Amino acid sequence: QKEVEQDPGPLSVPEGAIVSLNCTYSNSAFQYFMWYRQYSRKGPELLMYTYSSGNKEDGRFTAQVDKSSKYISLFIRDSQPSDSATYLCAMSRNQFYFGTGTSLTVIP
Amino acid sequence: DAGVTQSPTHLIKTRGQHVTLRCSPISGHKSVSWYQQVLGQGPQFIFQYYEKEERGRGNFPDRFSARQFPNYSSELNVNALLLGDSALYLCASSSGTGSESPLHFGNGTRLTVT
Repeated sequence: QKEVEQDPGPLSVPEGAIVSLNCTYSNSAFQYFMWYRQYSRKGPELLMYTYSSGNKEDGRFTAQVDKSSKYISLFIRDSQPSDSATYLCAMSRNQFYFGTGTSLTVIP
Repeated sequence: DAGVTQSPTHLIKTRGQHVTLRCSPISGHKSVSWYQQVLGQGPQFIFQYYEKEERGRGNFPDRFSARQFPNYSSELNVNALLLGDSALYLCASSSGTGSESPLHFGNGTRLTVT
């Protein structure tokens, strides 16, 4: 079983839609949770970084962590074509573990 | 401030050859990590260095080695290249070694082995 599971998609939504991206994990020792955005032919860019269970909001982005269910989510409100990218979840305990990434396309 | 910089951006090598990839961390960051990202997969951990010392190693063969210099820049070396080494190699820097310090990535070196 992989440490981190993420649906690879692809996910296609119309502009303005709310996007929900999710990851599950198996190890309850994970303490820190991150979301990265990766554009084609670029490195991952840190979007959100959280420690505890609950919600963290930054502009149109909301990260949600549910440690009891071992489940994390990223919500994107009012999605824009510029949000089209691959979204990677990551979590850490001593080292960082990444999901496989979800490919998102926002259609104008 | 400059982000993490990596060179070269692209590289084509032949099986059996050796390659050296270079990375400069964000100013003030003392930790550098290397990751391999195969198409359609998430980054896989190769090495972490902090203050010139290896602090962690992923499940990669001994053909992979790395080092960190006094200015905190780093090199990743891969010997006896295999076709399966074709990937995007990412360097990430962080302010500390622990899980509480998030990783900041460069744009990677795309290595193609023919």
